[in-house]
Amino acid sequence: SQTIHQWPATLVQPVGSPLSLECTVEGTSNPNLYWYRQAAGRGLQLLFYSVGIGQISSEVPQNLSASRPQDRQFILSSKKLLLSDSGFYLCAWSGVRGQETQYFGPGTRLLVL
Amino acid sequence: SQKIEQNSEALNIQEGKTATLTCNYTNYSPAYLQWYRQDPGRGPVFLLLIRENEKEKRKERLKVTFDTTLKQSLFHITASQPADSATYLCARGGANNLFFGTGTRLTVIP
Repeated sequence: SQTIHQWPATLVQPVGSPLSLECTVEGTSNPNLYWYRQAAGRGLQLLFYSVGIGQISSEVPQNLSASRPQDRQFILSSKKLLLSDSGFYLCAWSGVRGQETQYFGPGTRLLVL
Repeated sequence: SQKIEQNSEALNIQEGKTATLTCNYTNYSPAYLQWYRQDPGRGPVFLLLIRENEKEKRKERLKVTFDTTLKQSLFHITASQPADSATYLCARGGANNLFFGTGTRLTVIP
């Protein structure tokens, strides 16, 4: 069966520090991968999605970036965090047809102080 | 723009009653809609998918309808239980991804 992992589960970082969140998927090949952010009490905001290794599409301009160095690994990064980067970050995967059901990881709660 | 909206931010209902949540879409005709459940501090979990040519779909105590005339999907939970308390999200498909509504927070009162 397929599983999706995210780490760390919780992170407290000072403003201006770098960020690296990792997501890995097991039990499937060539998945579509997604990064979402969910601010407190708000909906899911799609940040990035990837249909293959090295292929990243950005949905919103920001100081975040994403990379997909391996088929089942998706990384969210920032060189300098802002207060507004605080939120709940979710990674998800789906089949190769992007409109299919998405399966979410447990999330990373990021607090920037 | 192509919007998907869940107009009710919160819904409180007595245990045992049927909860009905609404999802509306404008300016397009989705091939299907999906419903997810999200518990606090957790990722959303897929519940049901309904296609435009399906009027209704059921899964245990859950029922989803799709009305292309009203541009609306309804999500019902029958015989609701306190364990059904969560935020429920609807979603439509995009070119390579899903667009989610902001969700309705359901509270089932014992």
